[in-house]
Amino acid sequence: KQEVTQIPAALSVPEGENLVLNCSFTDSAIYNLQWFRQDPGKGLTSLLLIQSSQREQTSGRLNASLDKSSGRSTLYIAASQPGDSATYLCAANYGNNRLAFGKGNQVVVIP
Amino acid sequence: EPEVTQTPSHQVTQMGQEVILRCVPISNHLYFYWYRQILGQKVEFLVSFYNNEISEKSEIFDDQFSVERPDGSNFTLKIRSTKLEDSAMYFCASTSGGRLNTGELFFGEGSRLTVL
Repeated sequence: KQEVTQIPAALSVPEGENLVLNCSFTDSAIYNLQWFRQDPGKGLTSLLLIQSSQREQTSGRLNASLDKSSGRSTLYIAASQPGDSATYLCAANYGNNRLAFGKGNQVVVIP
Repeated sequence: EPEVTQTPSHQVTQMGQEVILRCVPISNHLYFYWYRQILGQKVEFLVSFYNNEISEKSEIFDDQFSVERPDGSNFTLKIRSTKLEDSAMYFCASTSGGRLNTGELFFGEGSRLTVL
Protein backbone atom coordinates (compact mmCIF):
# COMPACT_ATOMS: atom_id res chain seq x y z
CA LYS A 1 0.00 0.00 0.00
CA GLN A 2 1.23 3.49 -0.83
CA GLU A 3 1.52 5.18 2.56
CA VAL A 4 2.83 8.68 3.22
CA THR A 5 3.96 9.66 6.70
CA GLN A 6 4.87 13.09 8.01
CA ILE A 7 6.94 13.69 11.10
CA PRO A 8 6.58 15.54 13.37
CA ALA A 9 2.79 15.81 13.44
CA ALA A 10 3.05 19.17 15.17
CA LEU A 11 5.78 21.58 16.14
CA SER A 12 6.21 25.07 17.53
CA VAL A 13 9.23 27.24 16.84
CA PRO A 14 10.20 30.79 17.72
CA GLU A 15 10.12 33.31 14.94
CA GLY A 16 13.33 33.41 12.92
CA GLU A 17 14.22 29.75 13.34
CA ASN A 18 14.49 27.46 10.33
CA LEU A 19 11.79 24.81 9.93
CA VAL A 20 12.49 21.26 8.83
CA LEU A 21 9.49 19.13 7.91
CA ASN A 22 9.86 15.48 6.97
CA CYS A 23 7.83 13.30 4.65
CA SER A 24 8.38 9.61 3.90
CA PHE A 25 6.63 7.36 1.40
CA THR A 26 6.63 3.58 1.30
CA ASP A 27 6.54 3.07 -2.47
CA SER A 28 9.38 4.87 -4.22
CA ALA A 29 7.82 4.56 -7.69
CA ILE A 30 6.58 8.15 -7.68
CA TYR A 31 6.34 10.50 -10.64
CA ASN A 32 6.59 13.59 -8.49
CA LEU A 33 5.98 14.90 -5.00
CA GLN A 34 4.05 18.03 -4.16
CA TRP A 35 4.08 20.11 -0.98
CA PHE A 36 0.96 22.03 0.01
CA ARG A 37 0.02 24.52 2.67
CA GLN A 38 -3.38 24.31 4.39
CA ASP A 39 -4.74 26.97 6.70
CA PRO A 40 -7.50 25.93 9.15
CA GLY A 41 -10.74 25.19 7.33
CA LYS A 42 -9.25 26.25 4.02
CA GLY A 43 -8.10 24.72 0.77
CA LEU A 44 -4.73 23.42 -0.33
CA THR A 45 -2.21 25.87 -1.71
CA SER A 46 0.54 24.36 -3.83
CA LEU A 47 4.01 25.33 -2.61
CA LEU A 48 6.49 23.21 -4.54
CA LEU A 49 6.44 20.36 -7.03
CA ILE A 50 9.51 18.12 -7.34
CA GLN A 51 9.72 15.76 -10.27
CA SER A 52 11.10 12.28 -9.59
CA SER A 53 14.24 13.15 -11.57
CA GLN A 54 14.98 16.21 -9.43
CA ARG A 55 16.84 16.39 -6.14
CA GLU A 56 15.47 19.69 -4.94
CA GLN A 57 13.25 22.64 -5.75
CA THR A 58 13.35 26.15 -4.35
CA SER A 59 10.88 29.01 -4.09
CA GLY A 60 11.84 32.02 -2.00
CA ARG A 61 12.40 30.89 1.60
CA LEU A 62 11.16 27.39 0.77
CA ASN A 63 13.37 24.53 -0.32
CA ALA A 64 12.22 20.97 -0.82
CA SER A 65 14.53 18.01 -1.33
CA LEU A 66 13.70 14.58 -2.65
CA ASP A 67 15.52 11.29 -2.13
CA LYS A 68 13.43 8.92 -4.15
CA SER A 69 15.49 5.80 -3.45
CA SER A 70 15.07 6.15 0.30
CA GLY A 71 11.47 7.37 0.04
CA ARG A 72 11.98 10.72 1.70
CA SER A 73 11.34 14.39 1.10
CA THR A 74 12.14 17.33 3.33
CA LEU A 75 10.67 20.82 3.27
CA TYR A 76 12.89 23.56 4.67
CA ILE A 77 11.47 26.96 5.53
CA ALA A 78 14.17 29.51 6.28
CA ALA A 79 13.79 32.28 8.84
CA SER A 80 10.26 31.35 9.87
CA GLN A 81 7.60 34.03 10.37
CA PRO A 82 4.27 33.95 12.23
CA GLY A 83 2.54 33.95 8.84
CA ASP A 84 4.10 30.55 8.15
CA SER A 85 1.85 29.03 10.81
CA ALA A 86 -0.25 26.43 8.98
CA THR A 87 -0.39 22.72 8.23
CA TYR A 88 2.00 21.51 5.55
CA LEU A 89 1.00 18.47 3.53
CA CYS A 90 3.12 16.36 1.27
CA ALA A 91 1.57 14.27 -1.47
CA ALA A 92 3.20 11.56 -3.59
CA ASN A 93 2.01 11.22 -7.16
CA TYR A 94 1.91 7.62 -8.38
CA GLY A 95 0.60 8.56 -11.79
CA ASN A 96 -2.54 10.15 -13.19
CA ASN A 97 -2.43 12.63 -10.31
CA ARG A 98 -3.83 10.08 -7.90
CA LEU A 99 -2.05 11.68 -4.95
CA ALA A 100 -1.33 9.88 -1.69
CA PHE A 101 -1.29 12.46 1.08
CA GLY A 102 0.38 12.54 4.44
CA LYS A 103 -1.52 13.73 7.47
CA GLY A 104 0.48 16.93 7.64
CA ASN A 105 2.94 18.81 9.80
CA GLN A 106 1.07 21.38 11.90
CA VAL A 107 3.38 24.34 12.44
CA VAL A 108 3.07 27.23 14.89
CA VAL A 109 5.62 30.04 14.67
CA ILE A 110 5.73 31.99 17.92
CA PRO A 111 6.35 35.73 17.57
CA GLU B 1 -3.91 34.46 -11.00
CA PRO B 2 -6.27 31.75 -12.28
CA GLU B 3 -7.84 29.64 -9.56
CA VAL B 4 -10.22 26.77 -8.99
CA THR B 5 -13.49 27.96 -7.48
CA GLN B 6 -16.01 25.86 -5.56
CA THR B 7 -19.58 26.40 -4.42
CA PRO B 8 -21.11 26.20 -1.92
CA SER B 9 -18.46 26.80 0.71
CA HIS B 10 -20.62 25.04 3.28
CA GLN B 11 -23.73 22.90 2.92
CA VAL B 12 -25.79 21.28 5.65
CA THR B 13 -28.15 18.51 4.60
CA GLN B 14 -30.29 15.79 6.05
CA MET B 15 -29.26 12.16 5.71
CA GLY B 16 -30.73 10.64 2.56
CA GLN B 17 -30.85 13.92 0.63
CA GLU B 18 -29.09 14.52 -2.66
CA VAL B 19 -26.24 17.01 -2.77
CA ILE B 20 -24.47 18.61 -5.71
CA LEU B 21 -21.12 20.28 -5.22
CA ARG B 22 -19.93 22.57 -7.96
CA CYS B 23 -16.49 23.49 -9.23
CA VAL B 24 -15.12 25.76 -11.91
CA PRO B 25 -11.63 24.48 -12.82
CA ILE B 26 -8.89 26.67 -14.26
CA SER B 27 -9.98 27.46 -17.79
CA ASN B 28 -7.24 25.82 -19.87
CA HIS B 29 -6.98 22.71 -17.72
CA LEU B 30 -8.04 19.35 -19.08
CA TYR B 31 -7.98 17.01 -16.09
CA PHE B 32 -10.30 17.34 -13.13
CA TYR B 33 -10.44 15.66 -9.74
CA TRP B 34 -12.39 15.37 -6.55
CA TYR B 35 -10.69 14.69 -3.24
CA ARG B 36 -12.15 14.72 0.23
CA GLN B 37 -10.88 15.23 3.76
CA ILE B 38 -12.81 13.92 6.74
CA LEU B 39 -12.10 16.06 9.80
CA GLY B 40 -8.76 15.11 11.33
CA GLN B 41 -7.89 12.63 8.58
CA LYS B 42 -5.80 12.56 5.43
CA VAL B 43 -6.92 14.02 2.13
CA GLU B 44 -8.22 11.12 0.01
CA PHE B 45 -8.58 10.71 -3.75
CA LEU B 46 -12.13 10.15 -5.00
CA VAL B 47 -12.16 10.39 -8.79
CA SER B 48 -10.38 11.75 -11.84
CA PHE B 49 -12.11 12.94 -15.00
CA TYR B 50 -10.81 13.58 -18.49
CA ASN B 51 -12.40 13.95 -21.90
CA ASN B 52 -15.89 13.74 -20.43
CA GLU B 53 -15.42 10.45 -18.69
CA ILE B 54 -14.07 9.04 -15.47
CA SER B 55 -10.40 8.07 -15.76
CA GLU B 56 -9.99 6.49 -12.37
CA LYS B 57 -11.95 6.19 -9.15
CA SER B 58 -11.18 5.02 -5.66
CA GLU B 59 -13.04 2.44 -3.61
CA ILE B 60 -14.75 5.33 -1.80
CA PHE B 61 -16.44 6.45 -5.03
CA ASP B 62 -19.33 4.00 -5.04
CA ASP B 63 -22.66 4.12 -6.85
CA GLN B 64 -23.88 6.93 -4.61
CA PHE B 65 -21.37 9.28 -6.24
CA SER B 66 -21.33 10.66 -9.75
CA VAL B 67 -19.46 13.40 -11.59
CA GLU B 68 -20.42 15.46 -14.57
CA ARG B 69 -19.14 18.27 -16.72
CA PRO B 70 -22.48 19.71 -17.81
CA ASP B 71 -20.99 22.58 -19.82
CA GLY B 72 -17.61 23.98 -20.79
CA SER B 73 -16.78 25.40 -17.40
CA ASN B 74 -18.46 23.51 -14.54
CA PHE B 75 -17.50 20.21 -12.98
CA THR B 76 -19.90 18.73 -10.44
CA LEU B 77 -19.91 16.01 -7.80
CA LYS B 78 -23.27 14.55 -6.90
CA ILE B 79 -23.97 12.42 -3.87
CA ARG B 80 -27.28 10.72 -4.48
CA SER B 81 -28.35 9.79 -0.95
CA THR B 82 -26.07 11.25 1.68
CA LYS B 83 -24.93 9.31 4.74
CA LEU B 84 -23.52 10.62 8.00
CA GLU B 85 -20.06 9.40 7.00
CA ASP B 86 -20.14 11.61 3.88
CA SER B 87 -19.56 14.62 6.13
CA ALA B 88 -16.23 16.01 4.98
CA MET B 89 -14.49 18.79 3.12
CA TYR B 90 -14.65 18.09 -0.60
CA PHE B 91 -11.90 19.55 -2.77
CA CYS B 92 -11.98 20.00 -6.51
CA ALA B 93 -8.65 20.13 -8.35
CA SER B 94 -7.46 20.55 -11.90
CA THR B 95 -4.29 20.36 -13.96
CA SER B 96 -3.22 20.96 -17.50
CA GLY B 97 -1.79 17.47 -17.67
CA GLY B 98 1.87 17.01 -18.43
CA ARG B 99 3.73 13.78 -19.04
CA LEU B 100 1.63 10.83 -17.87
CA ASN B 101 -0.79 13.38 -16.44
CA THR B 102 1.45 14.32 -13.54
CA GLY B 103 1.38 18.07 -13.79
CA GLU B 104 1.03 20.36 -10.81
CA LEU B 105 -2.37 20.01 -9.21
CA PHE B 106 -4.31 23.12 -8.21
CA PHE B 107 -6.99 22.84 -5.55
CA GLY B 108 -10.04 24.90 -4.75
CA GLU B 109 -10.97 26.21 -1.31
CA GLY B 110 -13.26 23.27 -0.68
CA SER B 111 -16.93 22.67 0.05
CA ARG B 112 -17.69 21.59 3.59
CA LEU B 113 -20.54 19.09 3.68
CA THR B 114 -22.30 18.38 6.97
CA VAL B 115 -24.82 15.55 6.98
CA LEU B 116 -27.25 15.49 9.93
